[in-house]
Amino acid sequence: KAGVTQTPRYLIKTRGQQVTLSCSPISGHRSVSWYQQTPGQGLQFLFEYFSETQRNKGNFPGRFSGRQFSNSRSEMNVSTLELGDSALYLCASSRTSGNTGELFFGEGSRLTVL
Amino acid sequence: GESVGLHLPTLSVQEGDNSIINCAYSNSASDYFIWYKQESGKGPQFIIDIRSNMDKRQGQRVTVLLNKTVKHLSLQIAATQPGDSAVYFCAESASGYSTLTFGKGTMLLVSP
Repeated sequence: KAGVTQTPRYLIKTRGQQVTLSCSPISGHRSVSWYQQTPGQGLQFLFEYFSETQRNKGNFPGRFSGRQFSNSRSEMNVSTLELGDSALYLCASSRTSGNTGELFFGEGSRLTVL
Repeated sequence: GESVGLHLPTLSVQEGDNSIINCAYSNSASDYFIWYKQESGKGPQFIIDIRSNMDKRQGQRVTVLLNKTVKHLSLQIAATQPGDSAVYFCAESASGYSTLTFGKGTMLLVSP
């Protein structure tokens, strides 16, 4: 059974650009959550999608957005990139929404903003 | 591999020792707690979880203890091995929410 797959694994952008990251959850999982990991702030929740609907959103500016498709795959987008957006972006999937089960994380997409 | 955190609390143990990693959580409404292990360059990996109606849960070589009175969680690893070297995070969530609030992490270093 394939795990959570994130693409791309590494990318470099410059300030002002925008980026789209992709996440394919484990087959059968309908909930996808995104987290940002930085050395200074640790792991911080970005948003959660379930059945194509955003269920929860963390405390991030509107430049951070996401969506989920009917096959449960999810994308997140960051517009007008800032240096501080450099981070490891982690996607996690679970069967259902709510804290009823284990979250499985992907290996992350490491974004560097120059 | 990439660093997952700078200036993390670090626990250094010898192979074969028992390790105890501690975590204080903040939300009294949290009722679900998880420990994750993160190796360099990888995503967090589930270790063990516990719900607030329990105070102890055991897995293979790991035990999680929950003290709701003082909002404290601990992870005990028996017979620690070099492969256990990683950053360990506790995480909490409140009923009905998938959102996890993660602790800052503790780096475990196991010497052969």
